[in-house]
Amino acid sequence: GESVGLHLPTLSVQEGDNSIINCAYSNSASDYFIWYKQESGKGPQFIIDIRSNMDKRQGQRVTVLLNKTVKHLSLQIAATQPGDSAVYFCAEMQGYSTLTFGKGTMLLVSP
Amino acid sequence: DVKVTQSSRYLVKRTGEKVFLECVQDMDHENMFWYRQDPGLGLRLIYFSYDVKMKEKGDIPEGYSVSREKKERFSLILESASTNQTSMYLCASSLGDGYTFGSGTRLTVV
Repeated sequence: GESVGLHLPTLSVQEGDNSIINCAYSNSASDYFIWYKQESGKGPQFIIDIRSNMDKRQGQRVTVLLNKTVKHLSLQIAATQPGDSAVYFCAEMQGYSTLTFGKGTMLLVSP
Repeated sequence: DVKVTQSSRYLVKRTGEKVFLECVQDMDHENMFWYRQDPGLGLRLIYFSYDVKMKEKGDIPEGYSVSREKKERFSLILESASTNQTSMYLCASSLGDGYTFGSGTRLTVV
């Protein structure tokens, strides 16, 4: 498999459980945030985004929560499936600058 | 859907070789980016471009250069490959916010 998962914090869950992946971001002026999913052998894939004027956004089976007070972002995945196993990255952006990525968390889903 | 295509999935090159990594996007995006991804270090920005013939240094530009002669194509050049440039290279494009990534090129320099 790909080596991107080495040295990463890992979250192991059972199929059907809800998963929560956390991210601490660094720039208090960041106003846009994205979660990406990266499966083995593939590039990062957009999951969901949120702007700083919101504190919660929901997608299909996923919810992103933003707490600007403590610079914390979380991704909640409902009813986690084996196909959700991947590395998850948060990314932040301020204005029209470039995205800055977190180090990632590996999610392992057991059947 | 936007498609970002990287020409090679795997490359093996010798130390000192000049290496070209090619990236093409098909949705007329103005912005294109090159990142490298290493275990424990995440994605680090090498170079980016906001328009044809424009380029900006990212966080780790040393040892790399880029070329953007056409809007759809953004090339990363390793002038003289070294073993510490062994990595996964990811190209991305965007109109503004969310980036769309290619599948990556895993480069090994021996």
